[in-house]
Amino acid sequence: DTAVSQTPKYLVTQMGNDKSIKCEQNLGHDTMYWYKQDSKKFLKIMFSYNNKELIINETVPNRFSPKSPDKAHLNLHINSLELGDSAVYFCASSQGLGRVYSPLHFGNGTRLTVT
Amino acid sequence: GQQVMQIPQYQHVQEGEDFTTYCNSSTTLSNIQWYKQRPGGHPVFLIQLVKSGEVKKQKRLTFQFGEAKKNSSLHITATQTTDVGTYFCAGLTTLTYNQGGKLIFGQGTELSVKP
Repeated sequence: DTAVSQTPKYLVTQMGNDKSIKCEQNLGHDTMYWYKQDSKKFLKIMFSYNNKELIINETVPNRFSPKSPDKAHLNLHINSLELGDSAVYFCASSQGLGRVYSPLHFGNGTRLTVT
Repeated sequence: GQQVMQIPQYQHVQEGEDFTTYCNSSTTLSNIQWYKQRPGGHPVFLIQLVKSGEVKKQKRLTFQFGEAKKNSSLHITATQTTDVGTYFCAGLTTLTYNQGGKLIFGQGTELSVKP
């Protein structure tokens, strides 16, 4: 049983294209996140949704647009892809936003390569 | 902004040697969480520390939270090849009204173990 699943696992595309990454969690959590991990493995939060409401938006370019149709899903759409967008994108979920006893559960990641 | 600094960035050890990674925060944390990411994998939650001066052990792993709740360490005794991966600390900033805290990741320490 996959707790947090995201698709696709790999995404190779050209500059200027638009692409989407999907994420679903079956843990019953009410908070979901998108993290970007660069080539140096630094994990940077991009967005956080709590009960479908956008809570955290960390100075991410407008080309990135998250959408949460319900508590169990958080998708990420990226317009006009740039070389610098190449990274691994992780979806994660937790019960409650920033609660003391609520660790993150990460998906397997989507490796995005922009050529 | 709030930062969590983690050192060293890389550590290469001989199997059987000990390993320690350190985290320091610029502000007081509500808690500190530790994650392990195996090569090609996703971050997996290991443990969290909440109380000032708290020490927790998981087999060969010892986790400490500083008295001022601004620093933490992870110590592995007698490393094994299965310990290979990147270890991240993540500090939960002070909870704010209606939003919860924000989890800020350190840069990670990549551990390699030579058999």
